[in-house]
Amino acid sequence: AQSVSQHNHHVILSEAASLELGCNYSYGGTVNLFWYVQYPGQHLQLLLKYFSGDPLVKGIKGFEAEFIKSKFSFNLRKPSVQWSDTAEYFCAVKSRHSGYALNFGKGTSLLVTP
Amino acid sequence: NAGVTQTPKFQVLKTGQSMTLQCAQDMNHNSMYWYRQDPGMGLRLIYYSASEGTTDKGEVPNGYNVSRLNKREFSLRLESAAPSQTSVYFCASSEFGSTGELFFGEGSRLTVL
Repeated sequence: AQSVSQHNHHVILSEAASLELGCNYSYGGTVNLFWYVQYPGQHLQLLLKYFSGDPLVKGIKGFEAEFIKSKFSFNLRKPSVQWSDTAEYFCAVKSRHSGYALNFGKGTSLLVTP
Repeated sequence: NAGVTQTPKFQVLKTGQSMTLQCAQDMNHNSMYWYRQDPGMGLRLIYYSASEGTTDKGEVPNGYNVSRLNKREFSLRLESAAPSQTSVYFCASSEFGSTGELFFGEGSRLTVL
């Protein structure tokens, strides 16, 4: 079955620490991959997306993600987190199935402490 | 630039009551979606409308109906609310196809007592 897995459900980091959030997917064929962020009390916003080309994509607020096709992975990274990065992060895959709706992972809750 | 607008933002219902969540987008997108978000479950697709005039079930459609009223509007109806439908509901829209990102509304928090 097609699925998106996020390995870390809760992550706590100190400011300036490096961040890596794992995401694996199980889809056949071409995939389009996304990371969304949801700040407390807000709606989802796009961080970055990958369709084709350079597998290292850069997004907003210093985030980047690397698509590794052989590992079916699309991990999110940030070299130095800030308190304002406290949020929930969702990996998602866009599929031809379901009218190109996004299929989301269960999310990772990130808490950055001062 | 409103984007995706949902109403109401908050609603409390009693078991068995009905209600409709409204969603409108002003980006001329073809596709619209309804998701529900529950703690630890991520976002799950309830229904989608790939284009005006079509609607289809997503992952968790039971207990819901939808109407694509026109290209701009996509409503979600709970005919007989149940406590299991307590959730935060998000409407989204996108261009049809594999590369368009989804734009989300601010969410509607529904509590069923």
